[in-house]
Amino acid sequence: DAKTTQPPSMDCAEGRAANLPCNHSTISGNEYVYWYRQIHSQGPQYIIHGLKNNETNEMASLIITEDRKSSTLILPHATLRDTAVYYCIVRALTGANSKLTFGKGITLSVRP
Amino acid sequence: DSGVTQTPKHLITATGQRVTLRCSPRSGDLSVYWYQQSLDQGLQFLIHYYNGEERAKGNILERFSAQQFPDLHSELNLSSLELGDSALYFCASSAALLANNEQFFGPGTRLTVL
Repeated sequence: DAKTTQPPSMDCAEGRAANLPCNHSTISGNEYVYWYRQIHSQGPQYIIHGLKNNETNEMASLIITEDRKSSTLILPHATLRDTAVYYCIVRALTGANSKLTFGKGITLSVRP
Repeated sequence: DSGVTQTPKHLITATGQRVTLRCSPRSGDLSVYWYQQSLDQGLQFLIHYYNGEERAKGNILERFSAQQFPDLHSELNLSSLELGDSALYFCASSAALLANNEQFFGPGTRLTVL
């Protein structure tokens, strides 16, 4: 699986959009970008994933650059409950080895 | 609530002992994964079972073993425990075998080895 790079931390004000960047410059054509988050020692929670098109669900939007070397997770209206560690993970679609490889993630702090 | 259950929530034991952690996947999910989260190593994949068969191994020590039973629940056995085994242990489940299925994580078992 390709390696990802995320800044260690960021913060944003409650109610504002949180834009979390991720670099994955060595991503291969068959690799998806996944985002999970972990709220204070709880089990990680799936947020969203995508291949090359932008994706949106009820939690977030995922914007992937045209060259697929980076992506941004957008939480449109951050709340205090969104304070968590966010992990950007790249993994291949095919194959039976479907483990998740977590890096250090980015710690998002939402301030009142 | 992810639908994945893990027991016990907390476990405190002594070095040299053996413990068993239990995981019940979401209803219908055939894949179970085990992960370890320690302060120095972060979240690390240990092992993956699919429908009772081991599919992949990660950084799992020889002192650790796992199995998935016919009812699809899984157990992670940790033996000859050392202080460094203190960690959060998560299991996750997914519907099928392929990598594009999202994994649903349980609340974890916090193991403290004294």
